[in-house]
Amino acid sequence: NAGVTQTPKFQVLKTGQSMTLQCAQDMNHNSMYWYRQDPGMGLRLIYYSASEGTTDKGEVPNGYNVSRLNKREFSLRLESAAPSQTSVYFCASRPPARDYEQYFGPGTRLTVT
Amino acid sequence: GDSVTQMEGPVTLSEEAFLTINCTYTATGYPSLFWYVQYPGEGLQLLLKATKADDKGSNKGFEATYRKETTSFHLEKGSVQVSDSAVYFCALGGSARQLTFGSGTQLTVLP
Repeated sequence: NAGVTQTPKFQVLKTGQSMTLQCAQDMNHNSMYWYRQDPGMGLRLIYYSASEGTTDKGEVPNGYNVSRLNKREFSLRLESAAPSQTSVYFCASRPPARDYEQYFGPGTRLTVT
Repeated sequence: GDSVTQMEGPVTLSEEAFLTINCTYTATGYPSLFWYVQYPGEGLQLLLKATKADDKGSNKGFEATYRKETTSFHLEKGSVQVSDSAVYFCALGGSARQLTFGSGTQLTVLP
């Protein structure tokens, strides 16, 4: 039982490049989330998915797209990276019947130059 | 909207010292309150929670009491250890089953 896994762990992009951050969970959770963590700002929700086939915008969705490929996988795509997207990105999932208890992956540290 | 205000860090303590990290919130209704902890190089983990006023959450020697009258959920531990060094996040569970996080407080415990 690996929990929530994320790839890659580190990535450096040039402005304008694209990439996809991968997230998978093996706990059979319905809900999954993408956050970004910036110094002094805590975690901010980018997108979430309440179930397979559904996605919704969070607090800071601009510049990102997501895909809920199946129940296990929830990917985050940056189509044209900008320096303002330099951050640490966390994926999380939530078990059913536990309204707010989320399980987090180890994060992806992204730098856009 | 919902918001969480946390004591600014960093906080540096000696081993066995008493810890308090302040957290206050603004929300409509009666949210659930949480403390998450992030150890170096890892994702966040749920440390403790309280779902209604006057509830006390506790885990690993940490405690926090949901105070509706002061809209607070301060984290305390009587005797910290080096292994408690981490970033602590206060969070609020509001509408749509989403979490709103505070900015985090870095704790360093020196031997």
